[in-house]
Amino acid sequence: EAQVTQNPRYLITVTGKKLTVTCSQNMNHEYMSWYRQDPGLGLRQIYYSMNVEVTDKGDVPEGYKVSRKEKRNFPLILESPSPNQTSLYFCASSIGGVSYNEQFFGPGTRLTVL
Amino acid sequence: SQQGEEDPQALSIQEGENATMNCSYKTSINNLQWYRQNSGRGLVHLILIRSNEREKHSGRLRVTLDTSKKSSSLLITASRAADTASYFCAKLTYHNAGNMLTFGGGTRLMVKP
Repeated sequence: EAQVTQNPRYLITVTGKKLTVTCSQNMNHEYMSWYRQDPGLGLRQIYYSMNVEVTDKGDVPEGYKVSRKEKRNFPLILESPSPNQTSLYFCASSIGGVSYNEQFFGPGTRLTVL
Repeated sequence: SQQGEEDPQALSIQEGENATMNCSYKTSINNLQWYRQNSGRGLVHLILIRSNEREKHSGRLRVTLDTSKKSSSLLITASRAADTASYFCAKLTYHNAGNMLTFGGGTRLMVKP
């Protein structure tokens, strides 16, 4: 089954404790991205990747890191999480190219930083 | 920054009625996409309209795009209770080395049985 998976689905952590949210897709998509969703703000893009070893900042990259060493995986790293990073995070992927991209979304990761 | 805003923010209708949601944006786009989200879940792609298209249909969905007004609308005809969800428009724009999909704040649709 074609899908985007995220782990963990739920996470409660404390300020400053490094964490990684994994994202994996099995559709051989070039393009992958991370979004955060907050009430009243819709989805905002954190980082995206056009292909292996090619990443770029989205609208809200501060406090996040990503890597794209393999085509299927695009982990989101919070080196020193803070309470303002409490949010619902979504990973998405698409075929790629410069247009006509339907994004496939993962189920989301609900992160709480205390 | 959010590229555009959905209007209305919330919409409540009776089953069988039509639902219209609007989306405005600020800069040039490559294409515009509509997504649906059931509470707390991932988004599901509904329909994509390219910047050189004016109207597109998919089942009970009809999307229009007016690039001169920088706006789009999503019409759901003969709504059902199962259509209850949040609907987002997303604009695909060129950005640095690739492209970005920028979402609006969404319209929360409730369809009452």
